Amino acid sequence: DAGVIQSPRHEVTEMGQEVTLRCKPISGHDYLFWYRQTMMRGLELLIYFNNNVPIDDSGMPEDRFSAKMPNASFSTLKIQPSEPRDSAVYFCASSFYGGSGELFFGEGSRLTVL
Amino acid sequence: DAKTTQPPSMDCAEGRAANLPCNHSTISGNEYVYWYRQIHSQGPQYIIHGLKNNETNEMASLIITEDRKSSTLILPHATLRDTAVYYCIGSYNFNKFYFGSGTKLNVKP
Repeated sequence: DAGVIQSPRHEVTEMGQEVTLRCKPISGHDYLFWYRQTMMRGLELLIYFNNNVPIDDSGMPEDRFSAKMPNASFSTLKIQPSEPRDSAVYFCASSFYGGSGELFFGEGSRLTVL
Repeated sequence: DAKTTQPPSMDCAEGRAANLPCNHSTISGNEYVYWYRQIHSQGPQYIIHGLKNNETNEMASLIITEDRKSSTLILPHATLRDTAVYYCIGSYNFNKFYFGSGTKLNVKP
């Protein structure tokens, strides 16, 4: 398996623009997580899905952020409108029920909002 | 999640064992101790986890004290590629990991 695949790897955009980050989890995994990492706040859990259903979105910073998982093999994290303080590395991870607690992370999407 | 405390940084000579401590004095009985690491710019990588007993896998060993208030991750023969930030997490539920600041391990030649 190719692992968790994220795109784009790098995104530079201007304030006010819409940003969409994409994630393909490992086949067979039924949990999907979106994390954000900044120097100031470290790694933060934004939202996670189980069987394509959002379970906990308490980490989503505000209404500008939304996440969807239309099927088991695809998820998006959207920021609209984007702001400079959204600049961060966004990681997607997947796992499976009954596993050892191992989260498999993607390489991340580095977002810069000017 | 249990609150964990780790030193901000540690040095280790290449080829020697790296012993990374973690304090989790408030851990509850059903919370596991997980270790992850993050090599520069990459996504975090699972290393090992345990509940009460010591654990060993191909990457590392985990030693948990009998009272479960602290643990040590041991990399038996550190290499330059082991330079990373190591996170100790106390949790009963992998759905709600809190990664904290971790320990930056510098492996030196």
